Amino acid sequence: GIQVEQSPPDLILQEGANSTLRCNFSDSVNNLQWFHQNPWGQLINLFYIPSGTKQNGRLSATTVATERYSLLYISSSQTTDSGVYFCAVEGSQGNLIFGKGTKLSVKP
Amino acid sequence: DAGITQSPRHKVTETGTPVTLRCHQTENHRYMYWYRQDPGHGLRLIHYSYGVKDTDKGEVSDGYSVSRSKTEDFLLTLESATSSQTSVYFCAAAGVGSGNTIYFGEGSWLTVV
Repeated sequence: GIQVEQSPPDLILQEGANSTLRCNFSDSVNNLQWFHQNPWGQLINLFYIPSGTKQNGRLSATTVATERYSLLYISSSQTTDSGVYFCAVEGSQGNLIFGKGTKLSVKP
Repeated sequence: DAGITQSPRHKVTETGTPVTLRCHQTENHRYMYWYRQDPGHGLRLIHYSYGVKDTDKGEVSDGYSVSRSKTEDFLLTLESATSSQTSVYFCAAAGVGSGNTIYFGEGSWLTVV
């Protein structure tokens, strides 16, 4: 089945810094989404982005479908950005297959 | 607010007992999913549904069954709970529109002792 790899696995930032999270996938996809899981466990959908670029405030995402990767950019990071960021792509059954996530810690 | 609620939110049960987790959604989403989240494994699909009474297995379905008798409710049952089923369980839902964006419930923490 399709494989989803995220990097880096862990990231520590000082508040105000920028970061780039990467998601590589092993096959072409029609559906790619980014999620944030906050320290309380809640999963929030950030972007539906099978291709192209989207921006939402300090967050933006770019997916280059032909090269099978997606990037999530976080600018001017805040402590509330801490948590785990997941990339997920659609599998053959129509379900989402998740990467193992990038754990982000933003220090004040 | 994605309108997805899970119950119970926390449960401790004994090995060998049956357990049912309930997921309720208010947005008339067609697709519903049950995932489990474990350290080192991320989120893994247990079962999913693509309509009333239409369900299928995910990658970690052994020991679990599901039912969907109404659009808004998706039940996950552990027929005889084992310690390996101690986990956090997430329900999710997605519609046909909005690019199939998937929304998650708040999770159910299950401990099997």
